[in-house]
Amino acid sequence: EAGVVQSPRYKIIEKKQPVAFWCNPISGHNTLYWYRQNLGQGPELLIRYENEEAVDDSQLPKDRFSAERLKGVDSTLKIQPAELGDSAVYLCASRILAENTGELFFGEGSRLTVL
Amino acid sequence: AQKITQTQPGMFVQEKEAVTLDCTYDTSDPSYGLFWYKQPSSGEMIFLIYQGSYDQQNATEGRYSLNFQKARKSANLVISASQLGDSAMYFCAMREGSGGSQGNLIFGKGTKLSVKP
Repeated sequence: EAGVVQSPRYKIIEKKQPVAFWCNPISGHNTLYWYRQNLGQGPELLIRYENEEAVDDSQLPKDRFSAERLKGVDSTLKIQPAELGDSAVYLCASRILAENTGELFFGEGSRLTVL
Repeated sequence: AQKITQTQPGMFVQEKEAVTLDCTYDTSDPSYGLFWYKQPSSGEMIFLIYQGSYDQQNATEGRYSLNFQKARKSANLVISASQLGDSAMYFCAMREGSGGSQGNLIFGKGTKLSVKP
């Protein structure tokens, strides 16, 4: 069974440029998360989807960040315009909502460097 | 207020010895779950072990065990017989609520474990 797939793995851009990250969760996983992980820190939640609905986007900086999960499967996270402080690893994770003890399955992450 | 606290930024352990990674948590929700994840240098987060707040026994998974002390709000990870491949960052995490009211997974800042040959 394929795991959570993210692309691109690495992205280097100049500040003020746009960037987008894509995530394809494990088949059948209705809950999808985007986390941001700064160097030396734990992941911090940006947004959580249950199916196609964003049920928690309270930590998403909405002035420059946007996300979508059309059809409740794969998802895209966009930053426009990027700032130096956005350099981080962006992790996507998925799980089955109904499983009380279900752990999150993570992708390998997309490492963003903003110059 | 920080909900997950990992006070050890880095730990060293000799190969084949046991090591304990500390984690304390803060919640007023009677229903919650505690998780440990491993993150090697490759970057992927790997699930290790889960403990539910109502579980009577400490969770175990192979060489991993969770020392759950509910009254102290601690959930320490014990790795027995350390191997070189255990060198990685280890994150403690908590999810509040149960069933349909489950919240998000909140992570601590992590502990970097280095296993010495």
